[in-house]
Amino acid sequence: TQLLEQSPQFLSIQEGENLTVYCNSSSVFSSLQWYRQEPGEGPVLLVTVVTGGEVKKLKRLTFQFGDARKDSSLHITAAQPGDTGLYLCAGASAGTASKLTFGTGTRLQVTL
Amino acid sequence: EAGVAQSPRYKIIEKRQSVAFWCNPISGHATLYWYQQILGQGPKLLIQFQNNGVVDDSQLPKDRFSAERLKGVDSTLKIQPAKLEDSAVYLCASSLIGTGQETQYFGPGTRLLVL
Repeated sequence: TQLLEQSPQFLSIQEGENLTVYCNSSSVFSSLQWYRQEPGEGPVLLVTVVTGGEVKKLKRLTFQFGDARKDSSLHITAAQPGDTGLYLCAGASAGTASKLTFGTGTRLQVTL
Repeated sequence: EAGVAQSPRYKIIEKRQSVAFWCNPISGHATLYWYQQILGQGPKLLIQFQNNGVVDDSQLPKDRFSAERLKGVDSTLKIQPAKLEDSAVYLCASSLIGTGQETQYFGPGTRLLVL
C-alpha cells in the first residue's frame, strides 16, 4: 500500500507569514496533485505536477515535485486568512494511472 | 456548468441500519469515484467506475458496502449494515476520462454519523 505522509499535520500562523507543507512517500508517482478542502466542501484541485524537479507557481503558492518523484512541497508566501483550509497531496502511480492515493493532510489556519 | 451533486448532505443512523447515498456527476464525465474521508484523514478511494463498469473496488468492504452506476451517469453507494467505524464523510468525484493527471471534481460530500 502506497502511503503519502504530510507534515506538519497542523499549522497555525498569522497573516503575512510564510510556510511550507511537505508530502513524502517511499513510492514513485507518475504525477502528483495538490488539493485544498474547506469545511463542508469537497477538495478542489490547485495544481498537478508531472516531471521530477518541476516547479509551478500559482500566485503566492509555489509547488515543487521532487527529482525522484517521491516527494513534493507546497510553499505559501505571505499567507492570508483565505488560505485557511485542509491541504491534501495526492499521487498517481504508473501502474494504476487513474487511481489517486491521498496524503494524510495538513490543516492550516491563518489568523489576522 | 453544474458541479457534482450529492444527497443527502447529512445522515444520522444507528448501527446495523442501512443507508444509501446518491451522486450525480458532471455531465459528460465518464469516470466516477466514491471516497471515504474519516475525520482528520485524507480521502480513501472506495470504488471507481468507468461509465457503468467497475475499474477499481479493491478497498471497498464488500461484505457491507455496495455501489452501482446504472446507465453510466448517476451512482448510489449503500452500506448495509452500518458499523460505528463507518462514520465519515462520503465524497463523490468525477473526471472526464479517468487518468491520474486529470482534475477530479468533488461534490460537497455526505456526512454520516453512526450511533
